[in-house]
Amino acid sequence: ETGVTQTPRHLVMGMTNKKSLKCEQHLGHNAMYWYKQSAKKPLELMFVYNFKEQTENNSVPSRFSPECPNSSHLFLHLHTLQPEDSALYLCASSQDLRAGDYYGYTFGSGTRLTVV
Amino acid sequence: TQLLEQSPQFLSIQEGENLTVYCNSSSVFSSLQWYRQEPGEGPVLLVTVVTGGEVKKLKRLTFQFGDARKDSSLHITAAQPGDTGLYLCAGGEGGSYIPTFGRGTSLIVHP
Repeated sequence: ETGVTQTPRHLVMGMTNKKSLKCEQHLGHNAMYWYKQSAKKPLELMFVYNFKEQTENNSVPSRFSPECPNSSHLFLHLHTLQPEDSALYLCASSQDLRAGDYYGYTFGSGTRLTVV
Repeated sequence: TQLLEQSPQFLSIQEGENLTVYCNSSSVFSSLQWYRQEPGEGPVLLVTVVTGGEVKKLKRLTFQFGDARKDSSLHITAAQPGDTGLYLCAGGEGGSYIPTFGRGTSLIVHP
């Protein structure tokens, strides 16, 4: 496979559940990102990892916990979410942080999360 | 946080029409990117512009970066149904390396 792959594509979870979103990139990139996309809002950056090190946590509630075991994989662990957390969660990658500005970001197809 | 305002928010046109969408800010950006996002998919990069006044063409799409690097426009000639999607602009601030995204323009092109 090529590009950025996210699984699952759709997820419905209860507020007491624990689930994880997975992102994998086959581009040899070193920076990976989690974004939240809600209706009528700009893309919200959640977390940034550069060479496996977290460089940005954009005031995200602790019920979202990221994990980056290597430069190719990124996870978002979810627990005790709220209905307002329902959104499209997008993973993206870039060669590195600086390259993203000039060469852009490659996004996955996203995970549509519904919290009930 | 720098803001990017995109206009119009929604656009519904017939196949063959021309259109222009805008991305504006009061702040200067080191680079600006345009993405298209189709329903159920992630954004796909169309172009990056980095020089004030720069114009780039991608088939029927023409992108322009303002001279002061605060705004950009996307012009589509003879729109086709395949152009339907959400058009997002994202500004790079150089030192922060974290892009600022606009809310997007949702375009529907009817056959």
